[in-house]
Amino acid sequence: ETGVTQTPRHLVMGMTNKKSLKCEQHLGHNAMYWYKQSAKKPLELMFVYNFKEQTENNSVPSRFSPECPNSSHLFLHLHTLQPEDSALYLCASSHGTSGVGEGETQYFGPGTRLLVL
Amino acid sequence: KNQVEQSPQSLIILEGKNCTLQCNYTVSPFSNLRWYKQDTGRGPVSLTIMTFSENTKSNGRYTATLDADTKQSSLHITASQLSDSASYICVVSAGTGANNLFFGTGTRLTVIP
Repeated sequence: ETGVTQTPRHLVMGMTNKKSLKCEQHLGHNAMYWYKQSAKKPLELMFVYNFKEQTENNSVPSRFSPECPNSSHLFLHLHTLQPEDSALYLCASSHGTSGVGEGETQYFGPGTRLLVL
Repeated sequence: KNQVEQSPQSLIILEGKNCTLQCNYTVSPFSNLRWYKQDTGRGPVSLTIMTFSENTKSNGRYTATLDADTKQSSLHITASQLSDSASYICVVSAGTGANNLFFGTGTRLTVIP
């Protein structure tokens, strides 16, 4: 295990539902990330938080709403999703944000497999 | 345009055999290149990372090479095991921050007995 947990592991929801994904890291890191992984596509960075503050929002539709109450927890609130939002949603953490890209490792959780009907 | 292309898309090999996965990139500037292993139902786990000055790095049976001049990297797996069945993702960094990470689509490796 990498020290990053995600719940639920699988989620099926209708387009009118509201659900939340949860991520928790036990590594003492200060930065947390949401990624979307679709079949045959590269990982897409969605949101970045550093010390609970959002530092990146990569033009993600407003039907995805992140929340970071503290450095150990990250949520992704979902509402009125579309079928094309079906994907694996990965959470990751790292010591900070500035080192990522300069060699600092991101640690990924196992992901939540989301299916939107 | 910064891109990372991996080949082949998928590969099936017999247990005990060697294999090589390829990663070509057009990312510029270049900071480092990392290989991840992603088991089914798991998140990616880092295998190796190489900077501009490193042209080879090993992690057990995994050996990564980097040719920064031709912008190519390979991941060689020796004496494959069933547990090597996974997706292998190449990630190239153009500098500081997660927005400077460029991910490939991965190679899906299946090792059969």
